[in-house]
Order: sequence, then structure tokens, then C-alpha cells
Amino acid sequence: SQELEQSPQSLIVQEGKNLTINCTSSKTLYGLYWYKQKYGEGLIFLMMLQKGGEEKSHEKITAKLDEKKQQSSLHITASQPSHAGTYLCGADRSGGNTPLVFGKGTRLSVIA
Amino acid sequence: DTAVSQTPKYLVTQMGNDKSIKCEQNLGHDTMYWYKQDSKKFLKIMFSYNNKELIINETVPNRFSPKSPDKAHLNLHINSLELGDSAVYFCASSQDRGSKQPQHFGDGTRLSIL
Repeated sequence: SQELEQSPQSLIVQEGKNLTINCTSSKTLYGLYWYKQKYGEGLIFLMMLQKGGEEKSHEKITAKLDEKKQQSSLHITASQPSHAGTYLCGADRSGGNTPLVFGKGTRLSVIA
Repeated sequence: DTAVSQTPKYLVTQMGNDKSIKCEQNLGHDTMYWYKQDSKKFLKIMFSYNNKELIINETVPNRFSPKSPDKAHLNLHINSLELGDSAVYFCASSQDRGSKQPQHFGDGTRLSIL
């Protein structure tokens, strides 16, 4: 069964607008990773969150992990066309040697 | 310099054929992975290798056989290709077995079965 749910599945925003993507797990996570995928390319690592309540920012992108470590949000401020792509959250389920479980992704389009 | 490189980028072949995809990482990482992304864009782990040893096989059909000649390379060989094998296959690597370090991904190999 799918362990990570992302919402929304797709999102169209006007350039300059803010937006938020959510990632929810039914189980407590040891770590949460955000990646961006452009069409025809691989996944680009954005941020990693490990502690409950942790928040990280890089340029105009901010990611948070809730205190219970079951939900994460990715917020983009003043979106630009370069932000367009598919955003995937990946979860570390055990902190051991298991690879990541991914959500199905959120496809973001930014229109001028 | 490309950190994780896969070849070929595109692969179109007929059902029943055997094909291989190669992956190399120059990051000095110990752990490498193969993921499959299906038509619905769902990315799922297939195999994980640590220092040339298989550590995870996620119930992948035995037509798929990974091979790691050294820790910088993880190749994927697929026998008797089926229509359902059409997907994008991603190679990735990370520093060590614990996934507390981010995984670095290649650009993917788009496999189409005719």
C-alpha cells in the first residue's frame, strides 16, 4: 500500500504566487527528503528533514517536518517558471539500510 | 562532471529481447540503487547494493539481474523483456547504507518495449 500521500497531485500557479505541497505518512518517519524532477531528467535533491519540528530553507523554498514526524510541507515563495517540475517526497522508514519510499509526486506548472 | 551517469538514456526494443542498462557513480559512495518509475510516475525501489553486495531485492522478477563489478558500478540486466517492463529506470547512490544521507540520482533510462 502507498505509505506516502502527496497533495495536491498537480498544481498550476501564476508566476509570483506562493504555494504549498504536502506529504503525509501513516507512520512516523526517521527522515523526510524532498526532490525535484524535471521532465526527462533525474531527481534533484532539495532538502532533508530529520527532527520533529525541523524547518529548512533554500532560496525561495522552505520545507517543514511536523513534531510527530508524520507530515511535511514544501512551501515556495514568489514562484518562478524555474520552479516548474514534479516534486517528490521520499521517506526513510526505519533509519537503517532501507532505501526511500516515495510519494507519487506533485506536478507544478508556473504560468507567466 | 556527472555524479551518477546511466547509459543508455533511451532504449527501444522488442518483447522477448535481453538488454542491459549501465550505471556509474564518481562520488565515492558505498551504496547504489535501482528504482523503477512507472507510467503513473510512481517511483519504487528495485535493488540496493552496498560495497558490491546485494542488500535489498524488493520482490523483483528474476528476469532482472543486477551486477556490481565494483562499488562505483551497478548494472541492470533484463532477460525476456515484457510489455510491463516499459518504464523509466533510475540509478542512485548514497554515502552509506543508512539512508540518512541523501541519494543522488542519474537522469534515468527510458525503456520502451514494442
